[in-house]
Amino acid sequence: KQEVTQIPAALSVPEGENLVLNCSFTDSAIYNLQWFRQDPGKGLTSLLLIQSSQREQTSGRLNASLDKSSGRSTLYIAASQPGDSATYLCAVITSGTYKYIFGTGTRLKVLA
Amino acid sequence: DVKVTQSSRYLVKRTGEKVFLECVQDMDHENMFWYRQDPGLGLRLIYFSYDVKMKEKGDIPEGYSVSREKKERFSLILESASTNQTSMYLCASSQTKIYGYTFGSGTRLTVV
Repeated sequence: KQEVTQIPAALSVPEGENLVLNCSFTDSAIYNLQWFRQDPGKGLTSLLLIQSSQREQTSGRLNASLDKSSGRSTLYIAASQPGDSATYLCAVITSGTYKYIFGTGTRLKVLA
Repeated sequence: DVKVTQSSRYLVKRTGEKVFLECVQDMDHENMFWYRQDPGLGLRLIYFSYDVKMKEKGDIPEGYSVSREKKERFSLILESASTNQTSMYLCASSQTKIYGYTFGSGTRLTVV
């Protein structure tokens, strides 16, 4: 059974720092991996989607990498800003299924 | 951009009431999903649908049912609301697994 873990559960950094959020999964037979952002009381906003055949995806200050063999993905945020404060979730679809399995998220706070 | 619309942001219902949560997507997506999100438990799949009139149980279907009469609309029904169904409910849709999920803004349901 696929399990997704995100460490750390919470992170507080000063503005301007580069930071890395981690996501690990137990079954490497995934179809794709998606990173989301969630603001308090709101829905999930898609940040990056990485197909199983890809190694990384970039969007602006965000870069996500995928290493299927080791069951890991990282989300790199460059030059963090207070507006980046949110909870970040990763999710994977295991091959042969329709549904995402979600990690419990990393709550990020960027201090001005 | 794909839009997934959940009809209510906040809802307060009484124990024993029948509750309908509506979700509409505007991009002809095949797959639609209902999740609930609780602190410490993350996102848990209640039901999903991969075609009109087709549905499958997720991980926690007890106490819920769903309806998908039209492709764009997926309804979650609480047959007899209970206080343990107080939660954030999130709807998502996807065209295929390749394109990942798009989420609605969520419905915060309180059962009193």
